[in-house]
Amino acid sequence: DADVTQTPRNRITKTGKRIMLECSQTKGHDRMYWYRQDPGLGLRLIYYSFDVKDINKGEISDGYSVSRQAQAKFSLSLESAIPNQTALYFCATSPGQGTRLQYFGPGTRLTVT
Amino acid sequence: GENVEQHPSTLSVQEGDSAVIKCTYSDSASNYFPWYKQELGKRPQLIIDIRSNVGEKKDQRIAVTLNKTAKHFSLHITETQPEDSAVYFCAALYFGNEKLTFGTGTRLTIIP
Repeated sequence: DADVTQTPRNRITKTGKRIMLECSQTKGHDRMYWYRQDPGLGLRLIYYSFDVKDINKGEISDGYSVSRQAQAKFSLSLESAIPNQTALYFCATSPGQGTRLQYFGPGTRLTVT
Repeated sequence: GENVEQHPSTLSVQEGDSAVIKCTYSDSASNYFPWYKQELGKRPQLIIDIRSNVGEKKDQRIAVTLNKTAKHFSLHITETQPEDSAVYFCAALYFGNEKLTFGTGTRLTIIP
């Protein structure tokens, strides 16, 4: 779904480095989410936002921070990356009203060495 | 918080046979249950969903059933085809906090 984009698509970084993953959407949705996917663990919610002034922690927010710069943009930061943050990261959006359907971005594969 | 268990973790089915994936949830207040399909190297995409006021929903070869009393729901795929091979995730959401909790996924392989 080209309406939800993520940059970069792949990133290799070193332990201790700061890194930002970006998500943009043209769907006009208010709700945006960041998930992490690890083999055998499914998708786990890191942070979510229901509008520009609303930020909420998910189940695994430690070591991460987010910024909702605009309705269309939601960024995830790793202030000091560590190897166990190596994973596939997905951004998702949802219109919220009347439906809880979530549309996922293409994902960012992050490797921390 | 909500906890969703999904079984089996892997499933191999002969082409043309049926496949069933089961999930249980812990929070009786959950009221929306989507199923996502993730093909290799791609993003998860919704294939079917059900709300708690409905017991069963069908869409061509795919169906989902919900048992609120037992707190479990299942995905049924009939007449399986090679393109059904993927990882399937169930999820549960409580409208009160709007957080979607995913199961750990089932890797379905269709054997030609």
